[in-house]
Amino acid sequence: AQTVTQSQPEMSVQEAETVTLSCTYDTSESDYYLFWYKQPPSRQMILVIRQEAYKQQNATENRFSVNFQKAAKSFSLKISDSQLGDAAMYFCAYRSYNNDMRFGAGTRLTVKP
Amino acid sequence: DSGVTQTPKHLITATGQRVTLRCSPRSGDLSVYWYQQSLDQGLQFLIQYYNGEERAKGNILERFSAQQFPDLHSELNLSSLELGDSALYFCASSVGSGTDTQYFGPGTRLTVL
Repeated sequence: AQTVTQSQPEMSVQEAETVTLSCTYDTSESDYYLFWYKQPPSRQMILVIRQEAYKQQNATENRFSVNFQKAAKSFSLKISDSQLGDAAMYFCAYRSYNNDMRFGAGTRLTVKP
Repeated sequence: DSGVTQTPKHLITATGQRVTLRCSPRSGDLSVYWYQQSLDQGLQFLIQYYNGEERAKGNILERFSAQQFPDLHSELNLSSLELGDSALYFCASSVGSGTDTQYFGPGTRLTVL
């Protein structure tokens, strides 16, 4: 079964600086999708970025980018120019073609002014 | 706002009772997914429906059931409730059944006393 590991329960970053959140996963599949979701105090799950495993190019969405290393089964999220509104729980997620979705335990990001 | 709506926002009930959670997907989305987020289990995928039919099953207990109606809204039924069922229940929707991006609703907070 696929597992998703986020080894950093908590991270902290200074406003305007850059932070990287780590995620590794275990799978025997070759085709799958990876996601980062943000959960602010409101508890709503908000999609941050998505990566298709068959694409070599790393996905980017404005200040958010990923470093996808398929051989290493690693999928880290980089947040540039951090803002106070980025403070939240961040979940890494893996989705296989049978639609099973697995989440990591989450990383709580604090942004210091 | 993701466009996915869930009712009620909060639900408080007693052990042994039965409750129904409701979800309306984004306009045009055919798939509905249910997730449970609890402190001890984290985020878990429960079940997916696509255009009225069950498409994928995750860690859903036998005491739980779901259905998707012709108008595409979905209901999650939880019966013989236990204290451990207290959690945040999310509904998500996507256009298709494959690996389309899922958009999450605001969740229903269930408290079992």
